[in-house]
Amino acid sequence: DTAVSQTPKYLVTQMGNDKSIKCEQNLGHDTMYWYKQDSKKFLKIMFSYNNKELIINETVPNRFSPKSPDKAHLNLHINSLELGDSAVYFCASSSTRASGLQETQYFGPGTRLLVL
Amino acid sequence: TQLLEQSPQFLSIQEGENLTVYCNSSSVFSSLQWYRQEPGEGPVLLVTVVTGGEVKKLKRLTFQFGDARKDSSLHITAAQPGDTGLYLCAGALTGTYKYIFGTGTRLKVLA
Repeated sequence: DTAVSQTPKYLVTQMGNDKSIKCEQNLGHDTMYWYKQDSKKFLKIMFSYNNKELIINETVPNRFSPKSPDKAHLNLHINSLELGDSAVYFCASSSTRASGLQETQYFGPGTRLLVL
Repeated sequence: TQLLEQSPQFLSIQEGENLTVYCNSSSVFSSLQWYRQEPGEGPVLLVTVVTGGEVKKLKRLTFQFGDARKDSSLHITAAQPGDTGLYLCAGALTGTYKYIFGTGTRLKVLA
């Protein structure tokens, strides 16, 4: 069973289109994340949700809108796609200790987005 | 801006050699993780270190967390072609849900 899954794995689209990426985790974790990995392989956090509540929102254009319908799902919708949005997007999840610290993150396989 | 610098950025070595990868920051972390990422896959956790000065061993890999919890190192003994990949360190910022990822080290081990 896949612990953290993402769909689609590949996404090729035209500039200006709107697209969504979906993420699901079956680990029972309460925190989920979206990361962007650029061509230089640098992983940068975009958003994080804890128990469906947005807790991290980095300086990401408002064309990106995350949505968490429940603790096991975190989707990412992107409006008016631009060439610079081309990257690999990773979803991750973790659980929160009683101390408030985060346990280890588990990553999905990534979604490779190419904007033409 | 918090930043985790990894060095070296690229490393190409022969099978059997030893190597060390460094992860440095000016920030203090509550824990630090090391991941390995292979092409077309997501990062996979290798180890988590929590206590300053902690040393953990995973077969031929030795991980150390700095005393001040600002830096870490990964030492590989007798590297094998299967060790090839992108190595990432990630620090959990104290009191937040946030992880900061390092700049990455691309390792290639030649047979």
